[in-house]
Amino acid sequence: DSGVTQTPKHLITATGQRVTLRCSPRSGDLSVYWYQQSLDQGLQFLIQYYNGEERAKGNILERFSAQQFPDLHSELNLSSLELGDSALYFCASSVQPEGEKLFFGSGTQLSVL
Amino acid sequence: ILNVEQSPQSLHVQEGDSTNFTCSFPSSNFYALHWYRWETAKSPEALFVMTLNGDEKKKGRISATLNTKEGYSYLYIKGSQPEDSATYLCALNAGGTSYGKLTFGQGTILTVHP
Repeated sequence: DSGVTQTPKHLITATGQRVTLRCSPRSGDLSVYWYQQSLDQGLQFLIQYYNGEERAKGNILERFSAQQFPDLHSELNLSSLELGDSALYFCASSVQPEGEKLFFGSGTQLSVL
Repeated sequence: ILNVEQSPQSLHVQEGDSTNFTCSFPSSNFYALHWYRWETAKSPEALFVMTLNGDEKKKGRISATLNTKEGYSYLYIKGSQPEDSATYLCALNAGGTSYGKLTFGQGTILTVHP
């Protein structure tokens, strides 16, 4: 158990819908990262937050947004869902914003039908 | 776009064999190199974070080396065991305005046969 909690574990929804994925980092970790793992791609970086502020942004679609709250948990919002958004979404955390190993949650498997 | 390449894509070895994989990255963009082990139905677990040219890290039977000048890292597993079967991922932190972003390779899938 990495100490990073992601909910829900599985999510099945329809095209056009909006979903929210939630992540609680390890106790004491200030940085949260979101990654997407789809069938034909490796782990793709979406976005990083550090102590409530956006730190780095990857190729995150405009339909996707995220935030980190004062209690350091983070949410990833995916809207106007398309079939191609089906993927495993990981949250990870670390104490410092760079140079440290990441602790990964168990992921949310999103299926868009 | 940073290209992190791992080879081989997959590897089958017998229990007791020693093995190694390669991770290649652009030497001009480097802050840190990460190695993760990803077992089926689990989440990636960190093995090493390496930052200095010539770094060598060891954890039990697994070790890694780093050459930032030529842009590669090797992961070695000595005396492979079936429980070592997993996907091994390397990831580059290029630093600068990338901050904490990690660019992952596609991974090497290791299968250790009893």
